[in-house]
Amino acid sequence: DTGVSQDPRHKITKRGQNVTFRCDPISEHNRLYWYRQTLGQGPEFLTYFQNEAQLEKSRLLSDRFSAERPKGSFSTLEIQRTEQGDSAMYLCASSLAWPAATNEKLFFGSGTQLSVL
Amino acid sequence: AQKVTQAQTEISVVEKEDVTLDCVYETRDTTYYLFWYKQPPSGELVFLIRRNSFDEQNEISGRYSWNFQKSTSSFNFTITASQVVDSAVYFCALTLGHSGSARQLTFGSGTQLTVLP
Repeated sequence: DTGVSQDPRHKITKRGQNVTFRCDPISEHNRLYWYRQTLGQGPEFLTYFQNEAQLEKSRLLSDRFSAERPKGSFSTLEIQRTEQGDSAMYLCASSLAWPAATNEKLFFGSGTQLSVL
Repeated sequence: AQKVTQAQTEISVVEKEDVTLDCVYETRDTTYYLFWYKQPPSGELVFLIRRNSFDEQNEISGRYSWNFQKSTSSFNFTITASQVVDSAVYFCALTLGHSGSARQLTFGSGTQLTVLP
């Protein structure tokens, strides 16, 4: 069990540029989540996948944001035309869960810190 | 909509003191789950406990204990005989539904706990 890994750990970009983050979940996990955390706040849900299907999206996920999980394994989160307000820690989490599961437990990665200048 | 409030932004204690972190939640649903997570300086959130709305029994795990009171919509967390390694940000979180799924967790803003030697 190597845990959830995220790449890069830090990203500095200029306003208007596109950025892409990658998340590798724990290998047998079927669910993958993206959260965003700003300084001094708790994480906010963005979206989640069950295998390769994106099942829920928060209204925080504007049309500049897109997430994919093409083969049900790793996931990418892309932000187009970045804005200074996008500066945050982007956290990925994964879990092994089934529709009737009652004990879903999320394992979080260490996040990607995005700074938009 | 649901909400989680952690009124204590920062707490500082001396090692071996007991400390209680407060969590107050709001929801109109009768079925929900409450969580506590720990976020050390490395950034990844670590799951501590999950409690469903129908189980008001208090729980103890080593030096950690949790007091769930539906009458006051509170789910407080106590660390007994605190240690320097307990220093972290602690988040309380809520999710709705019957399954205990961790989908769409709503987090509080966190409490920064510093344990001084």
